[in-house]
Formats: sequence, C-alpha cells, structure tokens
Amino acid sequence: DGGITQSPKYLFRKEGQNVTLSCEQNLNHDAMYWYRQDPGQGLRLIYYSQIVNDFQKGDIAEGYSVSREKKESFPLTVTSAQKNPTAFYLCASSTTGGGRSNQPQHFGDGTRLSIL
Amino acid sequence: AQSVAQPEDQVNVAEGNPLTVKCTYSVSGNPYLFWYVQYPNRGLQFLLKYITGDNLVKGSYGFEAEFNKSQTSFHLKKPSALVSDSALYFCAVRDEANSGYSTLTFGKGTMLLVSP
Repeated sequence: DGGITQSPKYLFRKEGQNVTLSCEQNLNHDAMYWYRQDPGQGLRLIYYSQIVNDFQKGDIAEGYSVSREKKESFPLTVTSAQKNPTAFYLCASSTTGGGRSNQPQHFGDGTRLSIL
Repeated sequence: AQSVAQPEDQVNVAEGNPLTVKCTYSVSGNPYLFWYVQYPNRGLQFLLKYITGDNLVKGSYGFEAEFNKSQTSFHLKKPSALVSDSALYFCAVRDEANSGYSTLTFGKGTMLLVSP
C-alpha cells in the first residue's frame, strides 16, 4: 500500500542533543512538508520541499533543519537550538501539479517528541 | 495573505443528530478549501475539498461541506452523527491567486464529541 511512514513513533531528547525524525513516502509525490502540532494551536509549517535538493523555510523553521537528497525521504533534525521541542511532528506529501496544486496533502501518523 | 478560522474549539452533538463544524477563510483570490479529520495519536486524513463548481461538496464517511462565497465560509456537515465521528477536525485553505507554489494554512481545529 502507498503511504507515508514516520519513525520513530515516540522519541526522547536529552539537553543539548540533536535528534532526527524520519519521513519516507512511496506515493511518488514531489512535495513534502513538516508540521509541528501543539494542543490548541493547530498545525504550523516548519519546512517544505517541492523537489529533490530544494527546500524552503516555513513559519517556525528556527531550531530545525532538513535535507531532501531523495524524492522519497525528507528527514527533520530538531537541533539543540530548539528550546521547546516537545510536540507532535507530522510529515505530509502531495503532488505539485506544476506549482498550482489543488491536490490534498497526505499525512503520516506522526512522531511524538519529548524532553528527558 | 491567506488565513482560516474555526470559531469553535469544541462541538457537542447527540448521535443521530445533524452536525455542523464551522470554518471561515480569507484570501485575495479564489480559495482552495480542504477538510481533514484527526483521530488520537494519528495523522490527518483527507475528507473533502472545494476547488470550483458546485457549492455543496460531498466527501468521505458521509460528510459534506457547503461553500458560501459571500460569507467566506466552508462549513462541514453531516446529516446524522455517529459516536465514531468523534475526533479533531481541521479546515485548511490555499489562495489560488498566489503565484508559483504556496502552502496550505490550517485552522486551529475543532474537537467534535458525539454522545451516545
């Protein structure tokens, strides 16, 4: 079945530590996204990528980094500079339709990150 | 700029009764509108979208949404609620007028609780 796989489901970070969240998709989608979800705040965009080797900052990129070396993969690193990393992180993908896509985004089942 | 508002944090309805979850939006051009549902500790699942055409859009699981351009609204409806519909619902918008590629803006979510 086609879909988006996020791993791990739960992750714990120590002070001063960088952690990387995995996101893999087999939907052959060009665009991929990372969101942060906090209670009562909805989804906030961290980074997105339209194509391999290209990505753009979203609304809350500080303290995070990404790479897009393969079409299928879009890992997110939460760095030690992110002082409040406890949240539910969601990865999504979509077709781009020439840059004016009206297609929905497909989501993975998320990674819950907590501080030790 | 594009924005979306979900004015109710929570909606309570009895099983078998009709339900409405409200959404209003703001765009400079024509809107692309989406509804998603999220169950606990899961990703978002796409329900339906409005791009153009009929103002009443039918989606998954018996849900439908009514697009009203004059009121800039896109309310989610279901004629008869089920206990299993209890979940967090998100409205999202993309402004078709944005040049090039642009991302979705999500509302903060509305928790729907259906009582037996």
